[in-house]
Amino acid sequence: GDSVTQMEGPVTLSEEAFLTINCTYTATGYPSLFWYVQYPGEGLQLLLKATKADDKGSNKGFEATYRKETTSFHLEKGSVQVSDSAVYFCALSGDTDKLIFGTGTRLQVFP
Amino acid sequence: KAGVTQTPRYLIKTRGQQVTLSCSPISGHRSVSWYQQTPGQGLQFLFEYFSETQRNKGNFPGRFSGRQFSNSRSEMNVSTLELGDSALYLCASALGETQYFGPGTRLLVL
Repeated sequence: GDSVTQMEGPVTLSEEAFLTINCTYTATGYPSLFWYVQYPGEGLQLLLKATKADDKGSNKGFEATYRKETTSFHLEKGSVQVSDSAVYFCALSGDTDKLIFGTGTRLQVFP
Repeated sequence: KAGVTQTPRYLIKTRGQQVTLSCSPISGHRSVSWYQQTPGQGLQFLFEYFSETQRNKGNFPGRFSGRQFSNSRSEMNVSTLELGDSALYLCASALGETQYFGPGTRLLVL
């Protein structure tokens, strides 16, 4: 069945460092891909999405490109801030529209 | 536009009891999905409702059930609670394929 694999965390960075969180997927058909972020004690917030190959989603300085050839959707940010500390989830939505999530990657940014 | 709201935010129950959680979707959204989040299993899909009909169901036992009302509000019910049902229960509403989540209901079963 469909699945999402994310890199293990935590990812620990200094403020203004470059961020990459890897995400790969397995799916039949052509899924839509999403990144959600979860701050402590809160629900999930949609960060960005891409619905077809080569689409780039972007929001708040974060970017991810839908790469069909490598079945990847890596999250990047050029300069992280302390306020970016959270758990990031990669997810796909296939034929049934239900979201299938990766295990989440915790990001810790220190000043 | 108001976001997805969930009530209650926190709940403590004992084994064997039942619980009902409520979700109000974003105005105009007709699809409501429920997810369970636990440290061990991560985020798992429970079910989805669209126009008062269950459209998809995840791999959970029959103790987990839900329904949707004509105003798109949804409830989920868990009967005969077990310790392992302790989790954050998230509701999401969607207009197309993009789901928007509420803050969740944190359930603790003692």
